[in-house]
Amino acid sequence: KAGVTQTPRYLIKTRGQQVTLSCSPISGHRSVSWYQQTPGQGLQFLFEYFSETQRNKGNFPGRFSGRQFSNSRSEMNVSTLELGDSALYLCASSVGLVKETQYFGPGTRLLVL
Amino acid sequence: QKEVEQNSGPLSVPEGAIASLNCTYSDRVSQSFFWYRQYSGKSPELIMSIYSNGDKEDGRFTAQLNKASQYVSLLIRDSQPSDSATYLCAGDRGSTLGRLYFGRGTQLTVWP
Repeated sequence: KAGVTQTPRYLIKTRGQQVTLSCSPISGHRSVSWYQQTPGQGLQFLFEYFSETQRNKGNFPGRFSGRQFSNSRSEMNVSTLELGDSALYLCASSVGLVKETQYFGPGTRLLVL
Repeated sequence: QKEVEQNSGPLSVPEGAIASLNCTYSDRVSQSFFWYRQYSGKSPELIMSIYSNGDKEDGRFTAQLNKASQYVSLLIRDSQPSDSATYLCAGDRGSTLGRLYFGRGTQLTVWP
């Protein structure tokens, strides 16, 4: 069974640009969560989707947005990039909302110059 | 106070020793707890979950939960160099949502 996939794996952008990251969950998983991981703040929750609906959102500015499609694939978008957005962005999928089934993807490493 | 706090370490133990990793949490996350292992450059993987007071054992790993003290720990017996990683403690609010609150992690090194 294929795991969670994220594309692209690495990305370099400049300040002010926008970026879209993609996450394909494990087949049959309908819940997708996004996290930002930085050395200073650790893993911070961005948002969560279930059945195409955003169910929860973390304390991030409105520049961070996301969506989920009918096939459970999810995208997150960051507009007007700032240097502080440089981080590893992790996507996790689970069967429904049962956390023990939550598996993380390999992440997208974003560098903002 | 952050929802989940971990002693940042790093922690270094010899091969074969017991590694003890600790985590405290606030009232805002008090339902269930999870330990994740993250190797350098990799994504976190779930190794243990615990919901009720007491100990839960799985192979060389034992998770301990003390809700009165708001304390969670992970013991790794017979530590191996392959256990060298960052260990993340996470809790949730017991809602139906999948959101987890993570500590900043403890880096463990097991030296041969």
